[in-house]
Amino acid sequence: DGGITQSPKYLFRKEGQNVTLSCEQNLNHDAMYWYRQDPGQGLRLIYYSQIVNDFQKGDIAEGYSVSREKKESFPLTVTSAQKNPTAFYLCASSLRTDQYNEQFFGPGTRLTVL
Amino acid sequence: AQSVAQPEDQVNVAEGNPLTVKCTYSVSGNPYLFWYVQYPNRGLQFLLKYITGDNLVKGSYGFEAEFNKSQTSFHLKKPSALVSDSALYFCAVRDRMDSSYKLIFGSGTRLLVRP
Repeated sequence: DGGITQSPKYLFRKEGQNVTLSCEQNLNHDAMYWYRQDPGQGLRLIYYSQIVNDFQKGDIAEGYSVSREKKESFPLTVTSAQKNPTAFYLCASSLRTDQYNEQFFGPGTRLTVL
Repeated sequence: AQSVAQPEDQVNVAEGNPLTVKCTYSVSGNPYLFWYVQYPNRGLQFLLKYITGDNLVKGSYGFEAEFNKSQTSFHLKKPSALVSDSALYFCAVRDRMDSSYKLIFGSGTRLLVRP
């Protein structure tokens, strides 16, 4: 899982609560990504950031928010507006100058809504 | 629009036999192609990538993949499967002309290697 850490590994949330998932990398990568993984659907991009203080919506951004105040950190908040948040969440990073965009992944956070 | 298809949800193979996990792609320009592997409750691990040049790409753990431009395919192969190869495999593509640098992932193929 390289130099990317995600915490917590497991997270339980009550309906109506916001929760924040942590993602930190020490690879000096410019770009960071959040994916959601559901069984049989592969990975879907939630948000991505190519540089500090800038980020873009991915394919399924509704009900999620992010910030990128530091190069090393890209936290994801799952808000109460996300109707079906139970999933496995993966953070990734890559070198912005790597035109191939080989992405390195963290170990993931499994979120369960009770 | 970019897309990746992994037509098989699961591939079953006996240990010692060759394995193939299929991937086809669609991009408007030329592709960068990747294979990743995921073990249970873990993140994705990079296996190999095709950038340019030789159509046969060799990667980690004895895996290789063959780029076929006419068939828009990038199938993952291994000459002799191990039980420890059992995992979930993802193919991904990036269009060289896409300035967003996004990777598009397939839905994944579960490989089960029987002892």
